[in-house]
Amino acid sequence: EAEVAQSPRYKITEKSQAVAFWCDPISGHATLYWYRQILGQGPELLVQFQDESVVDDSQLPKDRFSAERLKGVDSTLKIQPAELGDSAMYLCASSLFGTAEQYFGPGTRLTVT
Amino acid sequence: SQQGEEDPQALSIQEGENATMNCSYKTSINNLQWYRQNSGRGLVHLILIRSNEREKHSGRLRVTLDTSKKSSSLLITASRAADTASYFCATDNSGNTPLVFGKGTRLSVIA
Repeated sequence: EAEVAQSPRYKITEKSQAVAFWCDPISGHATLYWYRQILGQGPELLVQFQDESVVDDSQLPKDRFSAERLKGVDSTLKIQPAELGDSAMYLCASSLFGTAEQYFGPGTRLTVT
Repeated sequence: SQQGEEDPQALSIQEGENATMNCSYKTSINNLQWYRQNSGRGLVHLILIRSNEREKHSGRLRVTLDTSKKSSSLLITASRAADTASYFCATDNSGNTPLVFGKGTRLSVIA
């Protein structure tokens, strides 16, 4: 069964350092989402892509976060510089265009020290 | 921001019992979905109910939706220890928009 791949699974970094997360969606899924999940909370959207275009990045802290999906397939989310409050699970999800069901990857657990 | 609230925040039951979780949301929706998350893992889609549906079944899962009360419930029958996880409801207002999640219910099923 096809799955969404994410790497790394865990990342520990010091504040002010740069970090990057990678996501490979299910083949054929045009829509890709990055969510952030703080411990004990539900996921919250950071950015949505349709193919290579950003559809919604209204909740992305653009002073330090950036995201790209250059060829409309895999995607990278970057944080520079990382802050203590960025410690969270970063989840990638994908879906077929026009469908509501989303498929989630295993996530990247970020710890900023 | 979170769309709504799951209730209860935590639930502990014996294996074989039924588990009921509730979800309330704030704005009009197109679909409501339930997801399961095992500790430290990604989310797994369980079931989707459309705004014009009132009840849906999938295996041991039963979901109801009351759009007049802006609420939904998830019933897991004959629970198993493997059902131990956090359960989230999520809403969307069309088929290609981000999901808005609640805070989740942590279910513990004791063998």
